[in-house]
Amino acid sequence: AQKVTQAQTEISVVEKEDVTLDCVYETRDTTYYLFWYKQPPSGELVFLIRRNSFDEQNEISGRYSWNFQKSTSSFNFTITASQVVDSAVYFCALSGMDSSYKLIFGSGTRLLVRP
Amino acid sequence: DGGITQSPKYLFRKEGQNVTLSCEQNLNHDAMYWYRQDPGQGLRLIYYSQIVNDFQKGDIAEGYSVSREKKESFPLTVTSAQKNPTAFYLCASSRLAYNEQFFGPGTRLTVL
Repeated sequence: AQKVTQAQTEISVVEKEDVTLDCVYETRDTTYYLFWYKQPPSGELVFLIRRNSFDEQNEISGRYSWNFQKSTSSFNFTITASQVVDSAVYFCALSGMDSSYKLIFGSGTRLLVRP
Repeated sequence: DGGITQSPKYLFRKEGQNVTLSCEQNLNHDAMYWYRQDPGQGLRLIYYSQIVNDFQKGDIAEGYSVSREKKESFPLTVTSAQKNPTAFYLCASSRLAYNEQFFGPGTRLTVL
């Protein structure tokens, strides 16, 4: 069975701090995809990134970076120099053959960035 | 502008009523999905469709029904059989079943 665990329910930081959101996944598939989504207070989920299981290179996009480690089944997300606009709920998700390529979401991490 | 629209944004239902939530996309995506989100929780899949005139049950399909008569449209009906329908409903679409999904703005349904 596939599962995504986001152990951090809520994180609070002061603006300009760096923050890392953890994501641990379980799957028996050899080919799978990992995703991060942002859900701001408006409610609409915003796609941030997709990685496939064969690409373990870290990725950086502006202040966002992702660390994918198959050895520990983790796909962590770091925001550098956080801003108030980063306040949102962040979801990690997994998709693979074992779930018929449906997205399996974690329970989300609520990030509050205080000014 | 390409995107996904959902209507209405807020919906109030009396117990025993069926209601239909609209979802339309102009992204030319083949696959469409319906999710339910309860407060403080992740998303749970209700139904999904990979092609027109075909759809599959997700993890919590009981009390819901869908249709996919057009590629652009995937309406969700919340029937009176759904015992606890108050939730936030999100529609999504993707090019293929395993690609990134793009989400609509959601419909917040409240049962009075």
